[in-house]
Amino acid sequence: AQSVTQLGSHVSVSEGALVLLRCNYSSSVPPYLFWYVQYPNQGLQLLLKYTSAATLVKGINGFEAEFKKSETSFHLTKPSAHMSDAAEYFCAVSLGSGNTGKLIFGQGTTLQVKP
Amino acid sequence: GAVVSQHPSWVICKSGTSVKIECRSLDFQATTMFWYRQFPKQSLMLMATSNEGSKATYEQGVEKDKFLINHASLTLSTLTVTSAHPEDSSFYICSAFWREQFFGPGTRLTVL
Repeated sequence: AQSVTQLGSHVSVSEGALVLLRCNYSSSVPPYLFWYVQYPNQGLQLLLKYTSAATLVKGINGFEAEFKKSETSFHLTKPSAHMSDAAEYFCAVSLGSGNTGKLIFGQGTTLQVKP
Repeated sequence: GAVVSQHPSWVICKSGTSVKIECRSLDFQATTMFWYRQFPKQSLMLMATSNEGSKATYEQGVEKDKFLINHASLTLSTLTVTSAHPEDSSFYICSAFWREQFFGPGTRLTVL
């Protein structure tokens, strides 16, 4: 079975500080991994995705994530947090082989950005 | 980019009534559509997979007679919550898939 686990349900950083949101995966096949952001009462916005190409993936709004097979991790980072980054972040894995469209989501991490 | 719409964006209904939520892919034909449910402060849980012209596949624990899914065309899937109860109050999100998945903006259902 495939799954993702997000470590830390709540992360708080100061504006301008490094953002690090953790995601570990479990998969018996090469995983397709995603990071999404959700603002209150809105749908999901794709930040970036790993599809077995480059292990360092750059996304929108300055976010990036590195796929580390040895650590089964796909942590999301941003060098400098902005107030507008405050939101809910979800890591997800595609069920099955490749991108099937069927996603299993992690528990989510709330990012708080303090002025 | 590909756009997926949901209608309505929010709905309030009385307990015992049925509510229909539409999911449309506006500028592409989706081979598959997925329905997710999200309770407050929680993650998204996959409810069912919908393919055009065939019966939906429901995840374990999801009542297929309560959550009726119809996939009438390659651009439209509907979710009907039958005999809704307050515990069905949730945020329902669909995604449409063609090479990759595109999410709708969600529908907030409140059952009184």
